[in-house]
Amino acid sequence: QKEVEQNSGPLSVPEGAIASLNCTYSDRVSQSFFWYRQYSGKSPELIMSIYSNGDKEDGRFTAQLNKASQYVSLLIRDSQPSDSATYLCAVNAGRRALTFGSGTRLQVQP
Amino acid sequence: KAGVTQTPRYLIKTRGQQVTLSCSPISGHRSVSWYQQTPGQGLQFLFEYFSETQRNKGNFPGRFSGRQFSNSRSEMNVSTLELGDSALYLCASSLTADYGYTFGSGTRLTVV
Repeated sequence: QKEVEQNSGPLSVPEGAIASLNCTYSDRVSQSFFWYRQYSGKSPELIMSIYSNGDKEDGRFTAQLNKASQYVSLLIRDSQPSDSATYLCAVNAGRRALTFGSGTRLQVQP
Repeated sequence: KAGVTQTPRYLIKTRGQQVTLSCSPISGHRSVSWYQQTPGQGLQFLFEYFSETQRNKGNFPGRFSGRQFSNSRSEMNVSTLELGDSALYLCASSLTADYGYTFGSGTRLTVV
């Protein structure tokens, strides 16, 4: 079992819709959770961090964390074609380095 | 504030050669991590340094090594290059891993 799992996609949504990206992790002591966006040919860019159960909103992005279910998600409201990218989930468990999922490719159709 | 700087941006090397990649973290960041990214394997963790000490190491052969200097700048070295080492090598810095990482633009290594 991979430590951080994501559906590779592609996830295709129409412009203006809500995109829902999911991630599960295996290490129960995980403490910090991050979402990165990576455009093709570019390096990952941190877009959201979440540390406690519940929702955290930042603009059109909402991160959701459920530690009991070992599940973290990212919602993108009013999706735009410029949101088309690969979204990487990353998890930090104590003093270990960040562990990344393999990413979900999102395509927003105009 | 300057971001994470990686040099060089592109490299072409021949099998059997060695290569050194450089990373300058964001000012004040003492943690530097290195990742290898390939289309098939995603982001694979290489190693993490904090205040000149290697704190974590990924599952890579001993041909991959790194170090961190007193000014937090870091280098990674790959010896006896293999074709499979062709990848994007990413450096990331942070205050601590709890705050997430900021990535550099990466070094794209091609081994021929």
